[in-house]
Amino acid sequence: AQKVTQAQTEISVVEKEDVTLDCVYETRDTTYYLFWYKQPPSGELVFLIRRNSFDEQNEISGRYSWNFQKSTSSFNFTITASQVVDSAVYFCALSEALQTSGAGSYQLTFGKGTKLSVIP
Amino acid sequence: DTEVTQTPKHLVMGMTNKKSLKCEQHMGHRAMYWYKQKAKKPPELMFVYSYEKLSINESVPSRFSPECPYSSLLNLHLHALQPEDSALYLCASSPLPGQGIGGYTFGSGTRLTVV
Repeated sequence: AQKVTQAQTEISVVEKEDVTLDCVYETRDTTYYLFWYKQPPSGELVFLIRRNSFDEQNEISGRYSWNFQKSTSSFNFTITASQVVDSAVYFCALSEALQTSGAGSYQLTFGKGTKLSVIP
Repeated sequence: DTEVTQTPKHLVMGMTNKKSLKCEQHMGHRAMYWYKQKAKKPPELMFVYSYEKLSINESVPSRFSPECPYSSLLNLHLHALQPEDSALYLCASSPLPGQGIGGYTFGSGTRLTVV
């Protein structure tokens, strides 16, 4: 069974500090997908990034960057120069593809989330 | 159109009521999902539809009844719910395996309160 561990339950940082959110996953599949989502207090899940298991390139998008390391089964997320608007719960998620009788689906397994509070 | 639209956004219902949640997507996705998210918890999978057929039911009580009348519409019928069923209900859609997972999309959710 697949599993996602986000060991940090809550993190508080002062505005403009850098912060890294950790994500460790377990899966038996060689093909899988990893996601990060942001969930602000309003409740919607905001998609941040998706990575497939064959693409270990790190990615940077503005103040956000992701470090994917298959050797340690980790997919960590760094926010540089944090801002108050970054305050939210961040979820890491893992998906395997399930084929059933010619159809199939992708099911996401989420970590427990990390609540980030950025203090002005 | 790259959205999953859920209605209503908020719903308050009594334990004897019958109500339905609605989810629509027009991206041509053939897999659709219901997730339930309790406060301060991650989303948990409830149901999966693939080609409009129920393929996975994660041991959800029968007071939740999903329906996928056609590929772009997913309903969740609610009957005789309990206060502990109060949660955010999220719908998602995706392509099928083999077509790439790009476009796995969540709706903004229905916040349900059972009184």
